Order: sequence, then C-alpha cells, then structure tokens
Amino acid sequence: DQQVKQNSPSLSVQEGRISILNCDYTNSMFDYFLWYKKYPAEGPTFLISISSIKDKNEDGRFTVFLNKSAKHLSLHIVPSQPGDSAVYFCAARDTNAGKSTFGDGTTLTVKP
Amino acid sequence: KAGVTQTPRYLIKTRGQQVTLSCSPISGHRSVSWYQQTPGQGLQFLFEYFSETQRNKGNFPGRFSGRQFSNSRSEMNVSTLELGDSALYLCASSPEGLRNIQYFGAGTRLSVL
Repeated sequence: DQQVKQNSPSLSVQEGRISILNCDYTNSMFDYFLWYKKYPAEGPTFLISISSIKDKNEDGRFTVFLNKSAKHLSLHIVPSQPGDSAVYFCAARDTNAGKSTFGDGTTLTVKP
Repeated sequence: KAGVTQTPRYLIKTRGQQVTLSCSPISGHRSVSWYQQTPGQGLQFLFEYFSETQRNKGNFPGRFSGRQFSNSRSEMNVSTLELGDSALYLCASSPEGLRNIQYFGAGTRLSVL
C-alpha cells in the first residue's frame, strides 16, 4: 500500500503564475512532512518542511499547507520561475520510527 | 562544507555478482540513510545507521545490507544481484537534532545486466 501519494505525475505552469503541488497520505502516525526538489543527475534537495502541529509554513516563494483532517499537504510556489522546473517529492515521517516515506514525485515544468 | 559524497557514480554488474556502494556524509552528520529509487517504485527506504548501529530497516530482502564506520562513512552491499536491483541508490545524512531533514548525495546508478 502506498502511504504517500502524489496523484499528478506532471504539472505545467506559465512563468510568474502559481504552481500548486499536492500530496496525500494515509498513515496517521506521520507527524512531519517535507518537500524535496530533484534535478536530473542530482540527489533530492530539501526545500521546506512542516510539523503536524502547524498548518502552514512559508519560506520565500515557497509555502507548504497541511490539512491533517484530510491527510493532505500542498506546496505553493509563487511566482513560479523557469529554474523551478524539476521533480518535486513529498515525504512524510513518523519521527518515532525515524524513516521517511516518499511519494513518486511530480515533474513541474515552468514555461517562460 | 562538502555535501554527501557517493562513490562510484555509475556501476555495471551482472546477475549473481555482489556490489558495494560507499557514502561519505556531511562532516558532523552521524545519521546516514539509504534509499533505492526506481521508475516504478519511487524512493524506497532501505536502512538508517547512527553511530555505527542500524537504527531502522525497510522492507528489503537480506541480500541488502549495510554498515557504518566510526567516522560515520557508510557502505551498502547487495549480494547475488538480480536484474530488478537496477536502480539509483541514494544516501542521505542528517545532523544531530535535525534528524527529520535529510541531505542527499547524487546517488550511485547501478545497472545489472
């Protein structure tokens, strides 16, 4: 069973507009959530995170929203830039178990 | 600070062989985790080491093993390679006190023929 799902394999947006990437999870034990960005031939790079005690965390152009009742989180990128084009992975952690479970990723393409 | 270093970057092996991959974490990081990334399965957790001890293990067969040395460097070994082991193997390290945030290396691309 896939505990973390990113239902959109790809997303294309125009430069300057908002990009919204979504992630759903099923395990109620997850209490920490992260987004990673991955360029080809590189490892994932940490982008932003949120603890389950919060519902929003903002860092510059990136904002992560967490809806615990819906077991859903999203990443908003505003404004989107061509350099944001990459694969974005959502990850969820059970901090007691100490391991991350990743979604399959969403490929974001930002068109100039 | 140097990032997480994985060697080699690319490896070609044949079925039945064994392979050892190496990971040097960011200086000062004592937690090292390994992941397998395949097109159909995404990133799958293999194991986590901390202070030379395996702290967590994913759902992989016993052919997959690892270890961590006193300098926090880690190795992962896969014995009796199968075609399905072809994947990108990623290593990540975490600083003490920030275990939730992982810093990844570029990975080792293993091809099993």
